[in-house]
Amino acid sequence: EVHLVESGGGLVEPGGSLRLSCAASGFTFSSYSLIWVRQAPGQGLEWVSSISSSGGYKYYAESVRGRFTISRDNAQNSLYLQMSSLRSDDTAVYYCARDETANPGFGSSWHNWGQGTLVTVSS
Amino acid sequence: QSVLTQPPSVSAAPGQKVTISCSGSSSNIGSNYVSWYQQLPGTAPKLLIYDNDKRPSGIPDRFSASKSGTSAALGITGLQTGDEADYYCGTWDSGLSAGQVFGGGTKLTVL
Repeated sequence: EVHLVESGGGLVEPGGSLRLSCAASGFTFSSYSLIWVRQAPGQGLEWVSSISSSGGYKYYAESVRGRFTISRDNAQNSLYLQMSSLRSDDTAVYYCARDETANPGFGSSWHNWGQGTLVTVSS
Repeated sequence: QSVLTQPPSVSAAPGQKVTISCSGSSSNIGSNYVSWYQQLPGTAPKLLIYDNDKRPSGIPDRFSASKSGTSAALGITGLQTGDEADYYCGTWDSGLSAGQVFGGGTKLTVL
């Protein structure tokens, strides 16, 4: 059974940094692309970043480009999101999810989701 | 403002049918597969439909979807109170800033 478990969320001051992790199990991690999606309180889903199975292709939402970095360690079955220069509007639950394809794009659909980790940016 | 447009809310009685629309453009829905997600209160999103009209294992056939041009639709028949949730459409946008896009979400109320 596929499991995705996010961690690393918490309270951080504006301008600060945080690193989220997503530990995966139950599938061949290195074969599938992954995504970070966030949801601000009471709001809808917002795409943050996607990464291909090899890590060679990375995509970012305009709202986080230059501040967030997505990466993965296929040997450790882990996905990461390094977040810096955090702002109050980055406050959200952050979810990681798994695609059924190797590269984000045309056929991407997010088949498995973690339970999310809450990031609160506040002074 | 979401790239994909969904109605904020829909409602219907138990046992009835409801349709949720999702409107996009040629760079997203018009050229890529659409997926649909259900988010029950307080839980993570769950995949309902992928590749425009395919159901993952375990999703009942009460849920169906279609795509035509730059629009897509999710249909739910035999509504149950347990179907009350937020529903999101999603697809890839192949435009200048390529990336995943989602609709703003539709709150389904089963009266």
